[in-house]
Amino acid sequence: GAGVSQSPSNKVTEKGKDVELRCDPISGHTALYWYRQRLGQGLEFLIYFQGNSAPDKSGLPSDRFSAERTGESVSTLTIQRTQQEDSAVYLCASSLGTLAGVPYEQYFGPGTRLTVT
Amino acid sequence: LAKTTQPISMDSYEGQEVNITCSHNNIATNDYITWYQQFPSQGPRFIIQGYKTKVTNEVASLFIPADRKSSTLSLPRVSLSDTAVYYCLVGGAGGYNKLIFGAGTRLAVHP
Repeated sequence: GAGVSQSPSNKVTEKGKDVELRCDPISGHTALYWYRQRLGQGLEFLIYFQGNSAPDKSGLPSDRFSAERTGESVSTLTIQRTQQEDSAVYLCASSLGTLAGVPYEQYFGPGTRLTVT
Repeated sequence: LAKTTQPISMDSYEGQEVNITCSHNNIATNDYITWYQQFPSQGPRFIIQGYKTKVTNEVASLFIPADRKSSTLSLPRVSLSDTAVYYCLVGGAGGYNKLIFGAGTRLAVHP
């Protein structure tokens, strides 16, 4: 079946512009995560959606970052007034969540490489 | 969420066994231990998951001592294609699904 898809694969934008990144999770996956990965570094958690519960936004670095998800479908990550330090690969992952306390694996998309000039 | 500590980097040679240890001193009773692998320019990929003792699959083994305060990922007879970053994650207790990735261990396999 189809995996997690993300678009665009690459995005170059000028400082100060807004960008919107899209994630299509695997059908039926209730949990969706957004991560940021700067060059040569580990993953930085941004936001987590679980079903219809309120999202966990504890990883968002500033109020310029926001994300939405409608039900258990597509999610969009929006970065307003982009800065050069926002340049990174933005990864989306989805999973079934947990079953009786056992966490299901996260399936990752290919990422969106954002470059702010 | 339990904090994890793992070596920043490791070096090995083709054909050797590689063991990467992760410390998680404040692991909760119901937490699971999960390892992911990430190749350059790709998203992480699930390798193995366990709760206690030993788990083995076609890719790796995971050793968890009785106190569960650490775990060791064992990769048998590594090849150049095993060069990647390996992440240890702890979580899942009480239905709390969020897993946080740390900095990982960068494994370099040499000819």
